[in-house]
Amino acid sequence: QLQLQESGPGLVKPSETLSLTCTVSGGSISSSSYYWGWIRQPPGKGLEWIGSIYYSGSTYYNPSLKSRVIISVDTSKNQFSLKLSSVTAADTAVYYCAKSRGGVSAASDPWGQGTLVTVSS
Amino acid sequence: QSVLAQPPSVSGAPGQRVTISCTGSNSNIGGSSDVHWYRQRPGTAPKLLISGNSNRPSGVPDRFSGSKSGTSASLAITGLQAEDEADYYCQSYDSSLSGVIFGGGTKLTVL
Repeated sequence: QLQLQESGPGLVKPSETLSLTCTVSGGSISSSSYYWGWIRQPPGKGLEWIGSIYYSGSTYYNPSLKSRVIISVDTSKNQFSLKLSSVTAADTAVYYCAKSRGGVSAASDPWGQGTLVTVSS
Repeated sequence: QSVLAQPPSVSGAPGQRVTISCTGSNSNIGGSSDVHWYRQRPGTAPKLLISGNSNRPSGVPDRFSGSKSGTSASLAITGLQAEDEADYYCQSYDSSLSGVIFGGGTKLTVL
């Protein structure tokens, strides 16, 4: 059974770079047709797609965040990562990683449990 | 404002049927992009309920059903139970934005 787990600092200073990693277990990140994505949810608010990556390295980003986001994949570690630069308080959110099958527009399942990242000095 | 519009809240008594709407446009739902539905209980990650407009993943009760027509989609829940109280989100893809979009979420209260 495929499982995803987010990890990374829970506190990031304004203007710095947020870095998170998602570790995939119970399956290979290199499986064909699987896309790996990041979604965030500010406290008390709705879901926002950040971006997705295919194991080959092809990336797809939310246009509103594209200038600050880099998503990468490390197939040797069965992990993919998120870097969000120049963060502000508005980037405070629970960050989820998730898998979708068949394309970026496909349903996300399963999801990681999520990790809260707070942007504050 | 979300690209996909959902009612902020709906409610129903145990045993009743409720529906949650998700209204988009020709660049997403109406343009043949699939709609997916998730349930999110407080403090937990979203869980997939419906994929590809009307498909239930294994393990999801048949009390949950999805449909799509024109630029809108709906999630129906029959035989309402206390455990159904949660936030529900729709998701699609927008060709104009070139990205995945979510509805603003609907809070379901079981009276």
